Amino acid sequence: GAVVSQHPSWVICKSGTSVKIECRSLDFQATTMFWYRQFPKQSLMLMATSNEGSKATYEQGVEKDKFLINHASLTLSTLTVTSAHPEDSSFYICSAPRPGANNEQFFGPGTRLTVL
Amino acid sequence: AQSVTQLDSHVSVSEGTPVLLRCNYSSSYSPSLFWYVQHPNKGLQLLLKYTSAATLVKGINGFEAEFKKSETSFHLTKPSAHMSDAAEYFCVVTPASGGSYIPTFGRGTSLIVHP
Repeated sequence: GAVVSQHPSWVICKSGTSVKIECRSLDFQATTMFWYRQFPKQSLMLMATSNEGSKATYEQGVEKDKFLINHASLTLSTLTVTSAHPEDSSFYICSAPRPGANNEQFFGPGTRLTVL
Repeated sequence: AQSVTQLDSHVSVSEGTPVLLRCNYSSSYSPSLFWYVQHPNKGLQLLLKYTSAATLVKGINGFEAEFKKSETSFHLTKPSAHMSDAAEYFCVVTPASGGSYIPTFGRGTSLIVHP
């Protein structure tokens, strides 16, 4: 089956630093990827839609200058949390629909971000 | 527009008894429907999917779901729960084709399995 990877799987950083999370589709090309945030015991909250070669589309209430998204190739999207603060601590997950798969989402394993 | 309602935030069963996790949806388009499972601190794993073929869908680990258009439901079942089934389950809907394919998630149902 299709595989989506995320790196790193977990990261701990100091407040004020920036953290980059990578999402890769390993065996298919993804013109679109989705970034989610998940708080404990809650569902996934869509943050933004990452579009290859164009600007990301952010959901209402998500600060685009805070969460920078770059989709530079058909297999890689990156989410950079800039000037991270403790309230940004969360589980971040990406997904990508594989072409021809009836919009089935293939999810990355997630990245646990802890900001001290 | 589309939406998903998972009717139960928690379902508690004893090991060896049947499991029923309920999901109702609404969609302006012909839907694709999915059930995913998430174990703690893990990503989401696809259990099964409905994509306009057979209405009774069989998935991994003994799970199955039936698409009922008249009831706009896609409930997940398993005849006999196992301890390893304890996890969070998400029902997801997207348009099968056309329109925006941003997936819509249910709030999740936590399955608790007692020995």
